[in-house]
Amino acid sequence: GAGVSQSPSNKVTEKGKDVELRCDPISGHTALYWYRQRLGQGLEFLIYFQGNSAPDKSGLPSDRFSAERTGESVSTLTIQRTQQEDSAVYLCASSRASGDQPQHFGDGTRLSIL
Amino acid sequence: QKEVEQDPGPLSVPEGAIVSLNCTYSNSAFQYFMWYRQYSRKGPELLMYTYSSGNKEDGRFTAQVDKSSKYISLFIRDSQPSDSATYLCAMRVGGNNRLAFGKGNQVVVIP
Repeated sequence: GAGVSQSPSNKVTEKGKDVELRCDPISGHTALYWYRQRLGQGLEFLIYFQGNSAPDKSGLPSDRFSAERTGESVSTLTIQRTQQEDSAVYLCASSRASGDQPQHFGDGTRLSIL
Repeated sequence: QKEVEQDPGPLSVPEGAIVSLNCTYSNSAFQYFMWYRQYSRKGPELLMYTYSSGNKEDGRFTAQVDKSSKYISLFIRDSQPSDSATYLCAMRVGGNNRLAFGKGNQVVVIP
């Protein structure tokens, strides 16, 4: 079985542009998470999905950030009007269900804002 | 004070040595504790997953949790060059889905 798949693996864009990052979770995993890893920092939680609803979006840093998920499958994280401080690796994880199941990560999208 | 503190290192050890890593935390509600290994330009890979205090062993890896001291450790025995990576501690409250991570500890095992 494939692991968590993220695309693109790298994205370079100009300040002010919108970007869309995609995550394809492990098949059968109903829970999906987005984290951000800035250089020299630990992973920061952004948002959690159970199915296609997002019971916890408290980690989204501003209203420029949004995410959606279709069914129990692909999720997209959208950053509007990107700023240089948005440069980071955006990591997606999935787990069998919410609660006590371990989270398995993809390799991330490395986002650079010029 | 950050929820999870982890000295980022780096830590260099000779091949065959024991690697000792640790994290401290401030939230006494944390119940689940994890160690992830992250190679350069890759996602974190789950190494150890423990609940409550005590030791858990898996091959060359031992995870320890001391909830009374809010302190967790990871030991790697007989370290190999392939163990060179960044090790991240993570933890969460039971029934809550967000993980709180340490900054990560870069380990280099020298052949």
